[in-house]
Amino acid sequence: DQQVKQNSPSLSVQEGRISILNCDYTNSMFDYFLWYKKYPAEGPTFLISISSIKDKNEDGRFTVFLNKSAKHLSLHIVPSQPGDSAVYFCAASSGGSQGNLIFGKGTKLSVKP
Amino acid sequence: ETGVTQTPRHLVMGMTNKKSLKCEQHLGHNAMYWYKQSAKKPLELMFVYNFKEQTENNSVPSRFSPECPNSSHLFLHLHTLQPEDSALYLCASSAADPSYEQYFGPGTRLTVT
Repeated sequence: DQQVKQNSPSLSVQEGRISILNCDYTNSMFDYFLWYKKYPAEGPTFLISISSIKDKNEDGRFTVFLNKSAKHLSLHIVPSQPGDSAVYFCAASSGGSQGNLIFGKGTKLSVKP
Repeated sequence: ETGVTQTPRHLVMGMTNKKSLKCEQHLGHNAMYWYKQSAKKPLELMFVYNFKEQTENNSVPSRFSPECPNSSHLFLHLHTLQPEDSALYLCASSAADPSYEQYFGPGTRLTVT
């Protein structure tokens, strides 16, 4: 049973518009959430994270929102750029000695010029 | 360039072969990880090493054998694999526990024939 779900396999957005990627989780013990971006032929790269004590974290064009009651988080990219086209993975951790991450299946974002 | 390198990038092997995947990190991290990414599936954690000690084996079949001679190097020894083991194998590292932010290598695309 998947603990981290990204229900949209793909998303297409026009350049300059907002991209919203969604992630749901089932484990209420998760206390840290991350987004990774992956280009073809490369490994995932860390993008942005949020602790469960916050409901929003912003870094430039990227903002992550956390709704603990709904067990839902989202990544907003605004404005979207063609270079943002990649697969975005949501990941969650419940702490522990290594902070092991549980990943979603990913959402492929295509930003069209 | 994330500071984590993996070799080879591509590998084709028969079911009776023995091969090894290599991972090296240049980040001074103390934790290293092996993940498997199969098509349309989330990243699956296989093994975790913390300060060269294996701290997690996520129910991985014994035909996969990890080795961590030091904190900078991680190997995955493969023998008598099955076609369903074909996948992208990703190595990651992170700072001493707990650390949620993991840095990934580019992966090895493995095909078992």
